[in-house]
Amino acid sequence: GIQVEQSPPDLILQEGANSTLRCNFSDSVNNLQWFHQNPWGQLINLFYIPSGTKQNGRLSATTVATERYSLLYISSSQTTDSGVYFCAVGDTNAGKSTFGDGTTLTVKP
Amino acid sequence: EAGVAQSPRYKIIEKRQSVAFWCNPISGHATLYWYQQILGQGPKLLIQFQNNGVVDDSQLPKDRFSAERLKGVDSTLKIQPAKLEDSAVYLCASSLPVQTQYFGPGTRLLVL
Repeated sequence: GIQVEQSPPDLILQEGANSTLRCNFSDSVNNLQWFHQNPWGQLINLFYIPSGTKQNGRLSATTVATERYSLLYISSSQTTDSGVYFCAVGDTNAGKSTFGDGTTLTVKP
Repeated sequence: EAGVAQSPRYKIIEKRQSVAFWCNPISGHATLYWYQQILGQGPKLLIQFQNNGVVDDSQLPKDRFSAERLKGVDSTLKIQPAKLEDSAVYLCASSLPVQTQYFGPGTRLLVL
């Protein structure tokens, strides 16, 4: 099956800083999502982005499907951005969904 | 629009007991997923339904786990008998085919 690698595994920032999270995947995919898991465990979808670039406020994402990676940008980080960010991809052949192990982001005031 | 509903939210059982989790997806979502999330890891897909048919169950431990989605709407995931290593959060998600997945709040299971 598809392998999904996220980096870095942990990231500590001061409030106001910018960051880039990366997701690499090993094969062709037909969908890709970025999620934020808050401290209460709720997974909240940020972007559905199998290709191209999208922006939503301080967050933006870019997926380059031909090179098998996606990037999540967080600008002017806030303490409420803390949590775990997951990338999940869908297998082109079977539609099976695979998550990476996440990036744990801590934003300090 | 109501989100994905799951119950119970928490469950504590002893090993070798049975347990069942329930999920009601967003109305109109044909695809339903069950994931297992162990502390410190990403969610692992256990089973994926399209309407009431199984799309993928390759990572479902079929000797002890079972799932059904009767009438293509809500779904039940069962563990029988439970082992210590089944302690995890069980997440249900739903989507339109090959579209954004929406997650429920999860069920936290502790097996003693």
